[in-house]
Amino acid sequence: DQQVKQNSPSLSVQEGRISILNCDYTNSMFDYFLWYKKYPAEGPTFLISISSIKDKNEDGRFTVFLNKSAKHLSLHIVPSQPGDSAVYFCAASPTGWNAGNMLTFGGGTRLMVKP
Amino acid sequence: ETGVTQSPTHLIKTRGQQVTLRCSSQSGHNTVSWYQQALGQGPQFIFQYYREEENGRGNFPPRFSGLQFPNYSSELNVNALELDDSALYLCASSLASSGTYEQYFGPGTRLTVT
Repeated sequence: DQQVKQNSPSLSVQEGRISILNCDYTNSMFDYFLWYKKYPAEGPTFLISISSIKDKNEDGRFTVFLNKSAKHLSLHIVPSQPGDSAVYFCAASPTGWNAGNMLTFGGGTRLMVKP
Repeated sequence: ETGVTQSPTHLIKTRGQQVTLRCSSQSGHNTVSWYQQALGQGPQFIFQYYREEENGRGNFPPRFSGLQFPNYSSELNVNALELDDSALYLCASSLASSGTYEQYFGPGTRLTVT
């Protein structure tokens, strides 16, 4: 039973346009969410996170939106750049003392940004 | 600030053998988590170590075991290797009680079991 799902295995966008990556979760205990980016032959790199007390968090070109009632979050990248081409993973965690150290990941979405 | 490092980079083992993978945490971090990433899938949580004790475990059998040392480095041991153990093994470090839940990953060890 996948508790975190990324239903789009791949996404292709034009340079300069917006990339929207989606993630759904089922476990109501999750209240902290993270996005990681992964290049081939490298470990996942932390990108941005959001707590369930917020519905939006922004960091430069990256914005994460959380719809807690729908158990859905999305990552927006504006404008998209060719260097953003990578696999993006959504991850979720419960919070509380040390509870947050077990991340549950989605299956990933491969983003391709075309010049 | 030193990032998370893992060794070896690649490893080939035969079914039934045992393997030890190593991880050095990012400086200042006191918690280490291990993940298994099969091809085409997201990382799956194996276990976490805090203060040299296992502090959470995913759905992995007991032949997956680990250690954390006083300097917060860690080992993952897998006994009686099976073909399905072929995967990328990722180590991640974090700081418990930091108020955030970000984990910082190493580059991984690619294990192939033949």
